[in-house]
Amino acid sequence: DQQVKQNSPSLSVQEGRISILNCDYTNSMFDYFLWYKKYPAEGPTFLISISSIKDKNEDGRFTVFLNKSAKHLSLHIVPSQPGDSAVYFCAASGPAGNQFYFGTGTSLTVIP
Amino acid sequence: NAGVMQNPRHLVRRRGQEARLRCSPMKGHSHVYWYRQLPEEGLKFMVYLQKENIIDESGMPKERFSAEFPKEGPSILRIQQVVRGDSAAYFCASSPPPDPDTQYFGPGTRLTVL
Repeated sequence: DQQVKQNSPSLSVQEGRISILNCDYTNSMFDYFLWYKKYPAEGPTFLISISSIKDKNEDGRFTVFLNKSAKHLSLHIVPSQPGDSAVYFCAASGPAGNQFYFGTGTSLTVIP
Repeated sequence: NAGVMQNPRHLVRRRGQEARLRCSPMKGHSHVYWYRQLPEEGLKFMVYLQKENIIDESGMPKERFSAEFPKEGPSILRIQQVVRGDSAAYFCASSPPPDPDTQYFGPGTRLTVL
């Protein structure tokens, strides 16, 4: 039962343009959402998070948007850089905070 | 401040053997999480531990798998009598108290069962 879904396994974007990665979830009890970035042979690295009391959180080139009614979040990277090429996972947790549910990842390729 | 450390990075076992995966959390972190990533899948939660306590093991298979996080030393994920289906990347993450919302991941252990 995949409670967090990333329906696009891959995405290619030209350098300098915007990358938009999408994530959907099914559990309305989730109240905290995170994005992780993963390079091959490394563990995921925390990128940005958002609490359900917000609908937007920005950190430099990275912005996460949360649409609770649609149970949808997205990560925007502007401008995209070749070093952003990696697999991006979204994750969600509920009030207990014990478990983090991860999506299957989207592989982003930024073309120079 | 060293990051989360996992060893070994690669582990090869034959069917029926035992696999022991170690995770040393970041300094000052008392929460440890174990995840498994099967090929073509996302990370699946297995277990959440604090020092000397298993808080949530709902993601861990009931048979053959166990985890501990002793007062001293690393957290250990132990898989007895491994089978081919156990082949996966196993990641541990740690987080600082009292807010465990952000986890820092180790580089993972890739287990291959022959």
